[in-house]
Amino acid sequence: EPEVTQTPSHQVTQMGQEVILRCVPISNHLYFYWYRQILGQKVEFLVSFYNNEISEKSEIFDDQFSVERPDGSNFTLKIRSTKLEDSAMYFCASGRGGQPQHFGDGTRLSIL
Amino acid sequence: GDSVTQMEGPVTLSEEAFLTINCTYTATGYPSLFWYVQYPGEGLQLLLKATKADDKGSNKGFEATYRKETTSFHLEKGSVQVSDSAVYFCALSGASGGSNYKLTFGKGTLLTVNP
Repeated sequence: EPEVTQTPSHQVTQMGQEVILRCVPISNHLYFYWYRQILGQKVEFLVSFYNNEISEKSEIFDDQFSVERPDGSNFTLKIRSTKLEDSAMYFCASGRGGQPQHFGDGTRLSIL
Repeated sequence: GDSVTQMEGPVTLSEEAFLTINCTYTATGYPSLFWYVQYPGEGLQLLLKATKADDKGSNKGFEATYRKETTSFHLEKGSVQVSDSAVYFCALSGASGGSNYKLTFGKGTLLTVNP
């Protein structure tokens, strides 16, 4: 069964550095998402992406965050200048409109 | 805005016990409802779904019924196994219609099943 793949599985970065999290969604899906889960808290929506543009973003998704689908297969989340509170598990998901979303295994981001 | 409230854990059961994890939601429209499961070290996997009132979602012995009158989607299983140990998340999407498919999650409930 096709799956969403995320790399790396764990990223350790110094505060203030830029980080790029990568995702390869399922190939025939059209909707792409990023979520995050701070340790011990609920999974929170960050952003959705459709037709090569952001369709919705949460208040968490401020100017430090950006998403891109650079080559038709990858879907990336960039954090420009990381803060300690960005430490979390980041999940990529993809879907076909009203169908349930498929999630990757996540990238654990640790900011030092 | 939309929200999901689910039973706080952790929940610890013996093998073959009956499981209920409560979930209620608040939404302005007509959401689809989901249960996702997260096994240790893995991502979120869809367990079951229901898209309209009175629908029952089922998978791997788990069931949940979409109850519009009580705005609930409680997860049940008649006889749990050790392999069911995981974190269970209740979620909703599409409450406001259109192309809003983002998921709103509950806090998750950790289930531990002992042999």
